[in-house]
Amino acid sequence: SQKIEQNSEALNIQEGKTATLTCNYTNYSPAYLQWYRQDPGRGPVFLLLIRENEKEKRKERLKVTFDTTLKQSLFHITASQPADSATYLCALDTGFQKLVFGTGTRLLVSP
Amino acid sequence: NAGVTQTPKFQVLKTGQSMTLQCAQDMNHNSMYWYRQDPGMGLRLIYYSASEGTTDKGEVPNGYNVSRLNKREFSLRLESAAPSQTSVYFCASSALQFHEQYFGPGTRLTVT
Repeated sequence: SQKIEQNSEALNIQEGKTATLTCNYTNYSPAYLQWYRQDPGRGPVFLLLIRENEKEKRKERLKVTFDTTLKQSLFHITASQPADSATYLCALDTGFQKLVFGTGTRLLVSP
Repeated sequence: NAGVTQTPKFQVLKTGQSMTLQCAQDMNHNSMYWYRQDPGMGLRLIYYSASEGTTDKGEVPNGYNVSRLNKREFSLRLESAAPSQTSVYFCASSALQFHEQYFGPGTRLTVT
């Protein structure tokens, strides 16, 4: 069956360190993969989109990699700050004109 | 620009009651979506509209209907609410399918 897996356990890191979140998928061949941030009580906010022919994408302190062989995307936040604390969702297209979202990983950055 | 707006923000229904959740976007986007979000389940697509005049089922369409009223507005209707429809509902829009989606603030619905 098709699955998207994100670590359901919260990731706790110290301010200034690099946070790395993982998104694994099976039985999909997505052309795109996206990452969103969601704060409690709010809707998700788009962060980055990476295409299947791109290995890496950067935006300020954010970096996303996409390995279609491993079926995995890694999301990095460098020099993390307490304001980066949120839940991060990955989403990918299913080939049937729909996006499917992972359940998200909660990131906690402590001062 | 307000982005994506949703009404109401909160709603409590009794089993069997009906209601319509409203969504509007002012970004001139072609595609609009309705999701529900439940603890441990993530966001699940209920219905989507790739462009004005078209709608299609998502992963969990049972018990819901939608109307793409015009390019700006996409409503979600619960004809006979059930406790299993207790959830947070998000509307989203995107310029084109597979482009980034912009989400509204959500509607928290409780069915008793």
